Amino acid sequence: KAGVTQTPRYLIKTRGQQVTLSCSPISGHRSVSWYQQTPGQGLQFLFEYFSETQRNKGNFPGRFSGRQFSNSRSEMNVSTLELGDSALYLCASSLHRGESPLHFGNGTRLTVT
Amino acid sequence: KQEVTQIPAALSVPEGENLVLNCSFTDSAIYNLQWFRQDPGKGLTSLLLIQSSQREQTSGRLNASLDKSSGRSTLYIAASQPGDSATYLCAVTRNGFYFGSGTKLNVKP
Repeated sequence: KAGVTQTPRYLIKTRGQQVTLSCSPISGHRSVSWYQQTPGQGLQFLFEYFSETQRNKGNFPGRFSGRQFSNSRSEMNVSTLELGDSALYLCASSLHRGESPLHFGNGTRLTVT
Repeated sequence: KQEVTQIPAALSVPEGENLVLNCSFTDSAIYNLQWFRQDPGKGLTSLLLIQSSQREQTSGRLNASLDKSSGRSTLYIAASQPGDSATYLCAVTRNGFYFGSGTKLNVKP
């Protein structure tokens, strides 16, 4: 069974631009969550989607948004990029929301210059 | 707001030693607690998940315990091996997922 797939693997953007990251969950998994990982702040929860609806949201500004499609694939968007948005963005999927282990992708490394 | 703390931040042990990693959380109203390992440049790999109604879970040389009332969990690794070298993170689930900052483990041959 294929794991969680995140694309692209690496991304370089300029301050002020916007970016879209993609996540394909494990087949059959309907819950998808997103995280930002930085050396200073560690791993921080961005948001969780289930059945195309955002179920929970972390403490991030409105520049960070996401969505989930009917096939459970998810995208996150960051608008008006700032230097501090440089991070590893991780996506995870799970079979049963709140009950099953999280399965992570290898992440998208975003660098903002 | 849920705060998750992991102690120690780093640990170096000789091969074969048994060791304990600690995780504490401030809000005991959780659905579950998970332990992960992360290798450099990679995503996280789930090791163990303990539901809020459970006290412990075991997988091979790993044993995780949960004491919800005191807001603590421990991950016990028996007979450590160099391949166990990684960063270990714990996370609690309720209205989102909240991670500790991790314990970086180095097992020396």
